[in-house]
Amino acid sequence: EPEVTQTPSHQVTQMGQEVILRCVPISNHLYFYWYRQILGQKVEFLVSFYNNEISEKSEIFDDQFSVERPDGSNFTLKIRSTKLEDSAMYFCASIWDSNTGELFFGEGSRLTVL
Amino acid sequence: KNEVEQSPQNLTAQEGEFITINCSYSVGISALHWLQQHPGGGIVSLFMLSSGKKKHGRLIATINIQEKHSSLHITASHPRDSAVYICAVRPLNYGGSQGNLIFGKGTKLSVKP
Repeated sequence: EPEVTQTPSHQVTQMGQEVILRCVPISNHLYFYWYRQILGQKVEFLVSFYNNEISEKSEIFDDQFSVERPDGSNFTLKIRSTKLEDSAMYFCASIWDSNTGELFFGEGSRLTVL
Repeated sequence: KNEVEQSPQNLTAQEGEFITINCSYSVGISALHWLQQHPGGGIVSLFMLSSGKKKHGRLIATINIQEKHSSLHITASHPRDSAVYICAVRPLNYGGSQGNLIFGKGTKLSVKP
């Protein structure tokens, strides 16, 4: 069964460092998403990406965050200068058809900022 | 503020019991998702609903758009159903694609053998 894969599964970084989280969405999917879940809290939408550009983003997705699809398969989330409060699980998801399709999530990347 | 409320927060059941998890929301929506989050953290989509009822195996999801309420039922529960079940909605006034969702806090289900 096709799946969304994310790397790394866990990353520990120092405050102020740049972090890149990687996702490989399902190959024929067209819409890509990043979500964040701080430990013990609910999942929050960060950004959606379609046709090589951001289509929607939340208030959380400020100038410290960026996304790109550099090579047609990977979908990356970059945090430029990490803060302690960026510690969370980050989930990537993809969908083929925005109106009727099922969301497929990756297993998540746990980011710990020290 | 858009809110998604789930009840109960925690639920312990004996194997074989019929389980219901509820979700209420405060705004008009175009779709509602039920998701399952495994103990390891991974998330799996169970259902996407915009009206009526859907069934998949032992899982049934219903939605009442007028009452802004959805339920997830598990028949003949099993310890492997132990997980966090999350309700998420797509408000009508959100443009774009399905993935921009407002999530509930989840219901933690433990099924004892």
